[in-house]
Amino acid sequence: GAVVSQHPSWVICKSGTSVKIECRSLDFQATTMFWYRQFPKQSLMLMATSNEGSKATYEQGVEKDKFLINHASLTLSTLTVTSAHPEDSSFYICSARDSRIYGYTFGSGTRLTVV
Amino acid sequence: AQSVTQPDIHITVSEGASLELRCNYSYGATPYLFWYVQSPGQGLQLLLKYFSGDTLVQGIKGFEAEFKRSQSSFNLRKPSVHWSDAAEYFCAVGAVSNYQLIWGAGTKLIIKP
Repeated sequence: GAVVSQHPSWVICKSGTSVKIECRSLDFQATTMFWYRQFPKQSLMLMATSNEGSKATYEQGVEKDKFLINHASLTLSTLTVTSAHPEDSSFYICSARDSRIYGYTFGSGTRLTVV
Repeated sequence: AQSVTQPDIHITVSEGASLELRCNYSYGATPYLFWYVQSPGQGLQLLLKYFSGDTLVQGIKGFEAEFKRSQSSFNLRKPSVHWSDAAEYFCAVGAVSNYQLIWGAGTKLIIKP
């Protein structure tokens, strides 16, 4: 079945530094990828939708200059949290849409802790 | 407005007992419906989905869900839960226009020994 690899699984970084999270579709081409943020005991909050080769579409309230999304190929999308601050600490999950079927496969998530 | 409601924030059932998790949706067209499960600190795993056809859908791990258009519901069921089923369960509607998922708030399933 469709597999999405998300890396790293967890990361601790210092305030002010940048962190890159990768999301790869391993056995299918993902024309659309989604980035979510999940706060403890809450549902997923869609941050942005990225389509291969074009600029990401950000949800209202999400700072595009802070959360840089690149979807340069059909199998890779990256989320870079720039100048991270403690309030950016969260669980980030990517999802890739499998265009062969109407389906979504999720990465295993990245726990970001900013100290 | 499009929305998904999971009325139960958490549910506690005894191991071996039956389970039903509720999901109601509001969507203008025929919905694509999904149930996902999330274990602590993990990503989401698809349990089952409904696009069309038979309104009773079978999924993985012994789960099933029934689409009831008249009630705008897509409840998840399992005849006998196992301790390993303890997790957070999310219902979602797929928007055909932009392929985004509209999420419910989730239901946390607690299993009593």
